[in-house]
Amino acid sequence: NAGVTQTPKFQVLKTGQSMTLQCAQDMNHEYMSWYRQDPGMGLRLIHYSVGAGITDQGEVPNGYNVSRSTTEDFPLRLLSAAPSQTSVYFCASSARQGLTEAFFGQGTRLTVV
Amino acid sequence: ILNVEQSPQSLHVQEGDSTNFTCSFPSSNFYALHWYRWETAKSPEALFVMTLNGDEKKKGRISATLNTKEGYSYLYIKGSQPEDSATYLCAFIGTGRRALTFGSGTRLQVQP
Repeated sequence: NAGVTQTPKFQVLKTGQSMTLQCAQDMNHEYMSWYRQDPGMGLRLIHYSVGAGITDQGEVPNGYNVSRSTTEDFPLRLLSAAPSQTSVYFCASSARQGLTEAFFGQGTRLTVV
Repeated sequence: ILNVEQSPQSLHVQEGDSTNFTCSFPSSNFYALHWYRWETAKSPEALFVMTLNGDEKKKGRISATLNTKEGYSYLYIKGSQPEDSATYLCAFIGTGRRALTFGSGTRLQVQP
């Protein structure tokens, strides 16, 4: 089983460039989320989705867009990359938000220069 | 922004020691509390999902307790082994939110 698949694993961007981090899950989970991980700050919620067509902002949404056109996919778009967005990004999914465990992708290490 | 705090931030123990960590969270509007184990260069993996006050969960040498009225959970590791070295995260979700809020984690290092 693939579980949660994130691509790419590593990316270097120049300031001002845009890109999309891909996340796909094959477990038919309704709930998906994006987190960023920075040293000493744990995982901070960027955006989340409770089902296809429904998204909402998390704790640190500025500079990021999401959409959820299918149950399987939840891409994260960086509109104009900034050095402050250098981080490790994790996508997660769960069947019943809160009541069942979250499954995480392998992470994307993004560096903005 | 919900306040989920973990202590200590890091812990060094000797193989065979037993240890415990604390996660504190808002005591109102509780829905669930999760514990995850996160090894370096890997993704977080779930240990426990806890939903009821007084819940006690156990998986091998690792166990957890939950007190929703006072807003804390303890994670215990009995007889620590080097392979227990990891960061342990707790995550809270309240009735009003739809996503997990994570603490900053406790980093455990077990010396052989």
